[in-house]
Amino acid sequence: TQLLEQSPQFLSIQEGENLTVYCNSSSVFSSLQWYRQEPGEGPVLLVTVVTGGEVKKLKRLTFQFGDARKDSSLHITAAQPGDTGLYLCAGADALHNNDMRFGAGTRLTVKP
Amino acid sequence: DTGVSQNPRHKITKRGQNVTFRCDPISEHNRLYWYRQTLGQGPEFLTYFQNEAQLEKSRLLSDRFSAERPKGSFSTLEIQRTEQGDSAMYLCASSSQAGGATDTQYFGPGTRLTVL
Repeated sequence: TQLLEQSPQFLSIQEGENLTVYCNSSSVFSSLQWYRQEPGEGPVLLVTVVTGGEVKKLKRLTFQFGDARKDSSLHITAAQPGDTGLYLCAGADALHNNDMRFGAGTRLTVKP
Repeated sequence: DTGVSQNPRHKITKRGQNVTFRCDPISEHNRLYWYRQTLGQGPEFLTYFQNEAQLEKSRLLSDRFSAERPKGSFSTLEIQRTEQGDSAMYLCASSSQAGGATDTQYFGPGTRLTVL
């Protein structure tokens, strides 16, 4: 059982559409990170959120950390084929030395 | 800054053989992590070092697995008597903080292990 549940597991959309992916847990995290991973490569950090309710924007990507620091969302506006990849969330588990716990990811495909 | 590097990128071996992977972290980072990732899953924590000290090991790290970081710089992960279930992507990450809540980890490209 994953400590972090990500949904949806798979998402296929057309270029130009908007989308939101979710990362949920029953645990509280000290911080939460979003990564994007392409096939055969390691995850690349997109953002770190620390404060409950925090919102961060990175061009067309908007990240939100839940008020209770148990969940997060990633919204992409006007998706492009270059956004295709596996989006992973990872939380720092405050009860276990802030070890990073990863979700299974959302695999996004953006069709041109 | 060359980032985290790992080699080899790919390794194919026969069951029962030993394999060793290397990770070179970002030069000023004092923490180094090893993860394993199988298809359709996120990375799973294996172990981490702060400088040369191995501070934590996951229960996933069986006695066939050993990791070292002798001088607090690069690290090696050895798997003895490999099994088909060891086939996975082995990821290394490094960070520069002392393990606080904003300890941002940067990943290498991984080593893909296939055990035949």
